[in-house]
Amino acid sequence: EVQLVESGGGLVQPGGSLRLSCEASGFTFNSYWMTWVRQAPGKGLEWVANVIQEGSEQHYVDSVKGRFIISRDNAKNSLYLQMNSLRAEDTAVYYCARHVAHRFDSWGQGTLVTVSS
Amino acid sequence: QSALTQPASVSGSPGQSITISCTGTSSDVGSYNLVSWYQQHPGKAPKLMIYEVSMRPSGVSNRFSGSKSGNTASLTISGLQAEDEADYYCCSYAGSSIVVFGGGTKVTVL
Repeated sequence: EVQLVESGGGLVQPGGSLRLSCEASGFTFNSYWMTWVRQAPGKGLEWVANVIQEGSEQHYVDSVKGRFIISRDNAKNSLYLQMNSLRAEDTAVYYCARHVAHRFDSWGQGTLVTVSS
Repeated sequence: QSALTQPASVSGSPGQSITISCTGTSSDVGSYNLVSWYQQHPGKAPKLMIYEVSMRPSGVSNRFSGSKSGNTASLTISGLQAEDEADYYCCSYAGSSIVVFGGGTKVTVL
């Protein structure tokens, strides 16, 4: 059974940093692209970033370019999202998802990030 | 990277059919047969319901079907049931390894 478990969310001040983690199990992690998707409170889904199997290529939504870094450690079956220069509008539940042919077939339960002073 | 356009809400009575539209552009929905749909119940993670416009993952009811015409994709739910009440999101590949979601549609079963 595919399982994705996010962690690392919490309350952070504007301008601060946070690192999210997603631990994967139940599938061959290094065979799949992986993605972060976020959902602001009461709002819709927004794709944030993805990373290819080897970790050597990443893509980002314009609003986080230069501030967020997606990475992975295939030896640890883990996906990460380093979030810097955080803004109030980054407040959201962050989901990690398995990315197959530009669809997301498995999702974690999400971790809440709140950016507030 | 503009969001796809979905109606804010759609409703129907049990047993009826409803259709949710998802309008993009010639750069996303119109260019690729890589439209997917997700169901999300309150407080839960999204669930993949349709991929590649009209394909259903294993375990998804055949009451859910997808189609596309030009820059608009559609999700149809037939034989509407109480458990179908949820938010639904479309998503399309937009080239250069980028994907874009729709704003979401709240489905209400009357």
